[in-house]
Amino acid sequence: GAGVSQTPSNKVTEKGKYVELRCDPISGHTALYWYRQSLGQGPEFLIYFQGTGAADDSGLPNDRFFAVRPEGSVSTLKIQRTERGDSAVYLCASSPGISIHNEQFFGPGTRLTVL
Amino acid sequence: AQKITQTQPGMFVQEKEAVTLDCTYDTSDPSYGLFWYKQPSSGEMIFLIYQGSYDQQNATEGRYSLNFQKARKSANLVISASQLGDSAMYFCAMRGAGSYQLTFGKGTKLSVIP
Repeated sequence: GAGVSQTPSNKVTEKGKYVELRCDPISGHTALYWYRQSLGQGPEFLIYFQGTGAADDSGLPNDRFFAVRPEGSVSTLKIQRTERGDSAVYLCASSPGISIHNEQFFGPGTRLTVL
Repeated sequence: AQKITQTQPGMFVQEKEAVTLDCTYDTSDPSYGLFWYKQPSSGEMIFLIYQGSYDQQNATEGRYSLNFQKARKSANLVISASQLGDSAMYFCAMRGAGSYQLTFGKGTKLSVIP
């Protein structure tokens, strides 16, 4: 079946602009996660959704970052007033449940470059 | 809070040989899960293997096995019979029972030499 998809694959924007990154999880997966991966680092957690609600947004770096999942499937990560430090690969993952053994299936990521 | 430490920034292995990638962790959760992911140059994170903190036996998945030493808080990945396609970044990650997020290490870049 289809895996996690993310669009766009690459996004170049100018400092101060607004961007939206989209994630389409595996069908039927209730849990959805966003991570950010900077160059040479492992992914860092941003936010977790269970269904439509953000169950844990403790990883969002500041209030310029916001994410939604209005119908419990597709999610959008929104970044306002982008800064050069926001440049990174943004990874989305989904899992069929929240049991500790449930692996998270990752998408290919969106590479964001802020000029 | 959880912490993962991968002390090997890069490793080389001869094709068909076995290689061990180190991972140590720190957590106050009595129950947790340990994961290894592979990230090729294409960027996608590929799940390899899982070990639960209460699992009695070390996990194995094909050529991958996890050397789990709970008292030492280590969860090393062993890849047997290395192949050229194994060249990639490898990340160790963990999740505590009280959270839903994965905490990743900085990764180890494995290069398989023909």
